[in-house]
Amino acid sequence: GESVGLHLPTLSVQEGDNSIINCAYSNSASDYFIWYKQESGKGPQFIIDIRSNMDKRQGQRVTVLLNKTVKHLSLQIAATQPGDSAVYFCAENIYYNQGGKLIFGQGTELSVKP
Amino acid sequence: DTGVSQNPRHKITKRGQNVTFRCDPISEHNRLYWYRQTLGQGPEFLTYFQNEAQLEKSRLLSDRFSAERPKGSFSTLEIQRTEQGDSAMYLCASSLDGDSGNTIYFGEGSWLTVV
Repeated sequence: GESVGLHLPTLSVQEGDNSIINCAYSNSASDYFIWYKQESGKGPQFIIDIRSNMDKRQGQRVTVLLNKTVKHLSLQIAATQPGDSAVYFCAENIYYNQGGKLIFGQGTELSVKP
Repeated sequence: DTGVSQNPRHKITKRGQNVTFRCDPISEHNRLYWYRQTLGQGPEFLTYFQNEAQLEKSRLLSDRFSAERPKGSFSTLEIQRTEQGDSAMYLCASSLDGDSGNTIYFGEGSWLTVV
């Protein structure tokens, strides 16, 4: 299943399928991007990050793709599990390694059907 | 547990009262951030510290809000004369300045309900 982030804030997939969550970021000067997972009533949990000098980074069952030309970020989750159900936020940061604020996107709610 | 710790986790207060939240960052993290999150929205930046210095404040941080990090370790966020619009989750996060990057880790948040 695939979402367009801001336009489709809810994504529903079957257990075992791959999920793709999309995010359009706002600032062409942003050079660091993070995906967070947030379960109900909890704080955002770091999933994976990527710097602007990369276009792909892989973690355990997750892959982040960055397309700077169109300012687009995606999170791919392989073999989606019920425990992946949560809201996923992308966040952008200017001046990697210099601190400063993260700017968060709207978020996409992922619902995994058993 | 060595993550970011926040307390209290939940606070219900009457309008007009003052409230204070505490955040203990991950040990040795020199940067500390405060964010606010309302239902259905992403976290919004409020302010951040590098060690004890408050380096940036959002326009969301009205004069009723004050944050401190006196010794460069834990931080407090105080809201004076609370209003119903202050009801939200207040998130603290921390990161370490270093070559490995600036991964920002969040705490579990402090829920504020103003009645």
